[in-house]
Amino acid sequence: DADVTQTPRNRITKTGKRIMLECSQTKGHDRMYWYRQDPGLGLRLIYYSFDVKDINKGEISDGYSVSRQAQAKFSLSLESAIPNQTALYFCATSGQGYGYTFGSGTRLTVV
Amino acid sequence: QKEVEQNSGPLSVPEGAIASLNCTYSDQGSQSFFWYRQYSGKSPELIMFIYSNGDKEDGRFTAQLNKASQYVSLLIRDSQPSDSATYLCAVILKGNNRLAFGKGNQVVVIP
Repeated sequence: DADVTQTPRNRITKTGKRIMLECSQTKGHDRMYWYRQDPGLGLRLIYYSFDVKDINKGEISDGYSVSRQAQAKFSLSLESAIPNQTALYFCATSGQGYGYTFGSGTRLTVV
Repeated sequence: QKEVEQNSGPLSVPEGAIASLNCTYSDQGSQSFFWYRQYSGKSPELIMFIYSNGDKEDGRFTAQLNKASQYVSLLIRDSQPSDSATYLCAVILKGNNRLAFGKGNQVVVIP
């Protein structure tokens, strides 16, 4: 099994719909992150969590919310999806001071 | 000034040559530095990390760090077509202990 698992891998949804992207990790790390990646813009941080009771906004949190259900689970929600949220979304986890391990990504298309 | 900058455009190198990638960072307190490789449509994969000034070698990859100049580089020796990818420089920021990414440099190895 992969260290970081993201579901779904691909999703097409309509404008205005609520959608949840899920992430689970088996690394035993406390820290988890959600990024989006757009061509030419690199990886941009949406939300991050350093433990179950800690949630922090990243660079581009507007329009998104997160839930840290357990040490191993961190989900990202789009309450009302819009087309400019079409992107590749990555979940990642890390130990303190170490590099991140990324999931395989979710390709989201909002039509 | 951006937290992590990778300013070079796409880099084309012939097979067997050395590819050289550069990165600068703004946080003088940063202590941990990483290079990720990302194939198109795939997740970033950690290939090198470096914490101390100087060179660190791992197979065909060498990371170089100069904290006084706030400069990190990656050399890929004997470049292979499989090295064709985007390379992301990343730095752990001392202020909030999270990883900041550059926008990446695309490398194309020409057979």
